[in-house]
Amino acid sequence: EAGVVQSPRYKIIEKKQPVAFWCNPISGHNTLYWYLQNLGQGPELLIRYENEEAVDDSQLPKDRFSAERLKGVDSTLKIQPAELGDSAVYLCASSLGSPEDEQFFGPGTRLTVL
Amino acid sequence: GDSVTQMEGPVTLSEEAFLTINCTYTATGYPSLFWYVQYPGEGLQLLLKATKADDKGSNKGFEATYRKETTSFHLEKGSVQVSDSAVYFCALGNAGGTSYGKLTFGQGTILTVHP
Repeated sequence: EAGVVQSPRYKIIEKKQPVAFWCNPISGHNTLYWYLQNLGQGPELLIRYENEEAVDDSQLPKDRFSAERLKGVDSTLKIQPAELGDSAVYLCASSLGSPEDEQFFGPGTRLTVL
Repeated sequence: GDSVTQMEGPVTLSEEAFLTINCTYTATGYPSLFWYVQYPGEGLQLLLKATKADDKGSNKGFEATYRKETTSFHLEKGSVQVSDSAVYFCALGNAGGTSYGKLTFGQGTILTVHP
């Protein structure tokens, strides 16, 4: 069974440029999550989807971050414009949706903003 | 809000030593508790979990017991190996409200095991 797929794995951009990350979850997983992981810290939730609906986006900085999951399968997270402080690893995860269910994580996209 | 506090690292041990990584949590309701591990160059993966009080999760020789009275979920292993060197994250699965299903992570503990 294929795991969670993310691309790109690495991205280097200059500040004020836009950037987008893509995620394809495990087949059959209706719930998709985007997390932000800063160096030396645990992941922090940015947004959670149930199918195509964003059910928790309270931690997403909406002035520059946006996300979509149009057909309830793969998802895109965008930053525009990027700032130096956005340098981090962006993780995508998927699950069956209950709190006791395992979340399966992708390898992440490491973003460096210069 | 929910929070997870982990024992600060890094932790350095010799092979076959006993390991404890402390984890305490604050949450409303009845969360599920997890330990995730991140091996060098790999993504986060589930190590073990417990979904209700007094449950014990176990995997690969690691164990943790869900202690509601002390709000703790400490990770233990009786004899560590070099291959256990990784970053370990304690996490809480929110069971209610708009944060239903959200994982709240601790800051991670780096474990290094020497031969």
